[in-house]
Amino acid sequence: DIQMTQSPSSLSASAGDRVTITCRASQSIRSYLNWYQQKPGKAPKLLIYAASTLQSGVPSRFSGSGSGTDFSLTISSLQPEDFATYYCQQSYSTPRTFGQGTKVDIK
Amino acid sequence: QLQLQESGPGLVKPSETLSLTCTVSGGSISNNNYYWGWIRQPPEKGLEWIGSIYYSRSTYYNPSLKSRVTISIDTSKNQFSLKLSSVTAADTAVYYCARHGYVDNGMDVWGQGTTVSVSS
Repeated sequence: DIQMTQSPSSLSASAGDRVTITCRASQSIRSYLNWYQQKPGKAPKLLIYAASTLQSGVPSRFSGSGSGTDFSLTISSLQPEDFATYYCQQSYSTPRTFGQGTKVDIK
Repeated sequence: QLQLQESGPGLVKPSETLSLTCTVSGGSISNNNYYWGWIRQPPEKGLEWIGSIYYSRSTYYNPSLKSRVTISIDTSKNQFSLKLSSVTAADTAVYYCARHGYVDNGMDVWGQGTTVSVSS
């Protein structure tokens, strides 16, 4: 299985901050990397697919980059509605695997 | 717009079989551009992909669960289903159904999730 490791596991930030979350794959997954946002009691929401493509309807303050084994999700200016847990997921091979999550909360 | 809705018992006894159904509305489950999958999330933990199915009944499963999992599809009812046998407390989780592309670019439509507890 491909292991996905996110860092940090949690972070505290203020509205307006620039936030970056990283995700590392245990082997190359080319650009088959997706990012999700999950709020408490809700299903995950796809934010970015293929490492850097913004899903329709997702605000442009979200961006993704990377290929191979190292990836990042950046929120350029954190908004109150962005406080949530973020997961990366590889869709390169079976089984599909997720990172352990990064919880973004209010400083 | 496409919607997915999970249904099934919220409580299952240990050693029994967990059975859930996902009903797709607002679109056809026979669309050859998509797979339909199950994902679960134990309390206060991360996400685990269980498996996916194509309208042709082609399936692929997480090897860690493969011996206990069956995913099936009923195109006439626009539904797909999950069966997980020999459950234990470790199978307690929120179970989600979701759609992803044949070219897998992420799970773009999700059900709201259903909580399943395994307890006697």
